[in-house]
Amino acid sequence: GAGVSQTPSNKVTEKGKYVELRCDPISGHTALYWYRQSLGQGPEFLIYFQGTGAADDSGLPNDRFFAVRPEGSVSTLKIQRTERGDSAVYLCATVGGAGELFFGEGSRLTVL
Amino acid sequence: DQQVKQNSPSLSVQEGRISILNCDYTNSMFDYFLWYKKYPAEGPTFLISISSIKDKNEDGRFTVFLNKSAKHLSLHIVPSQPGDSAVYFCAASDGGNQFYFGTGTSLTVIP
Repeated sequence: GAGVSQTPSNKVTEKGKYVELRCDPISGHTALYWYRQSLGQGPEFLIYFQGTGAADDSGLPNDRFFAVRPEGSVSTLKIQRTERGDSAVYLCATVGGAGELFFGEGSRLTVL
Repeated sequence: DQQVKQNSPSLSVQEGRISILNCDYTNSMFDYFLWYKKYPAEGPTFLISISSIKDKNEDGRFTVFLNKSAKHLSLHIVPSQPGDSAVYFCAASDGGNQFYFGTGTSLTVIP
């Protein structure tokens, strides 16, 4: 596709459940980021992939969060035992030729 | 600790006038700065960037100014249009993998 695609656009789940959020990057973009944006805040770095490997996962808040990118294209952010504090918009982005981030529309997660 | 700060949460400007959005940063290693615009229910979209080797970059109605000694940058929009109403985020990078974002300024352009 022409842009970064994220699914689902909205996810409502109950506390304690497991969720997966998917990102389809811009074709050919090897660098991929996951960010989290809470209400009234700017995007907060979670994890960065260069190709298939997680080059920097220092932003993941705890071990309930995990992300994969097995073939160097689609990435999945996985959250185990969700908590209400995980409610946020999860943004995926890839990097353009000038070093700028191209964001998807985000997946809004609500944990009840 | 917030390394990129946008101290004005909101700004209102009359259509046709200049909008000035400000951003301050604390990390002197930042060498690349970007502005993003975000509409509700959409992801942020890239607007304009500037490298630390420059002090000004212009793209149409948008100009970004960088003052390295003050660790301050600003985005000027001239003339402002109602379609510019959005939340604007400032971001910075030290050449590594991470981009650090401010908390955003909500701009309203009044017709």
